Amino acid sequence: DAKTTQPNSMESNEEEPVHLPCNHSTISGTDYIHWYRQLPSQGPEYVIHGLTSNVNNRMASLAIAEDRKSSTLILHRATLRDAAVYYCILRDEGNAGNMLTFGGGTRLMVKP
Amino acid sequence: EAGVAQSPRYKIIEKRQSVAFWCNPISGHATLYWYQQILGQGPKLLIQFQNNGVVDDSQLPKDRFSAERLKGVDSTLKIQPAKLEDSAVYLCASSIGQGVFEQYFGPGTRLTVT
Repeated sequence: DAKTTQPNSMESNEEEPVHLPCNHSTISGTDYIHWYRQLPSQGPEYVIHGLTSNVNNRMASLAIAEDRKSSTLILHRATLRDAAVYYCILRDEGNAGNMLTFGGGTRLMVKP
Repeated sequence: EAGVAQSPRYKIIEKRQSVAFWCNPISGHATLYWYQQILGQGPKLLIQFQNNGVVDDSQLPKDRFSAERLKGVDSTLKIQPAKLEDSAVYLCASSIGQGVFEQYFGPGTRLTVT
């Protein structure tokens, strides 16, 4: 599977937007970009995913570069509850196993 | 809708002992996953089931770990005998199917091997 690169940690102020970057320069044409997050002492939870176009849902927005070699998860107004580890993961549409390969993720700290 | 249930939530055992973890996925989810998460790392897939068949167990240490999903619903993961390096959180997840679907994770079982 193609690998992703994320900063180890980021800091944000409460109620401000947060942009979490992810580099995936070896992405293939059938790789979907998925984001999961893991709150303290909980299992990971799905945030959003996309293939080529930008995506929005109630939790976040996903901006995908035109060449698909990078993407950005956008939290429009960070809350204290958004403090978590955010994982950017590539999943191959053709991978029958559908497995998630987690990296180290980005630890987001939100200051009040 | 009930989420993925796991038990126990915590377990402390001595090395060389055996331990079993239980997972009940979301109703109707055909695909079930077991992940191991060592402190400070992302989760690592151990085994994936589609109904009651194994899809991928390439990262399962088969000399000590075993898993089953006999009726295609709930699942157990066993470690026998445990080693110190097995100390981790064991996460169960489920999804509707094998396609590019969202995975739903349980709260995990924190295992400490002393």
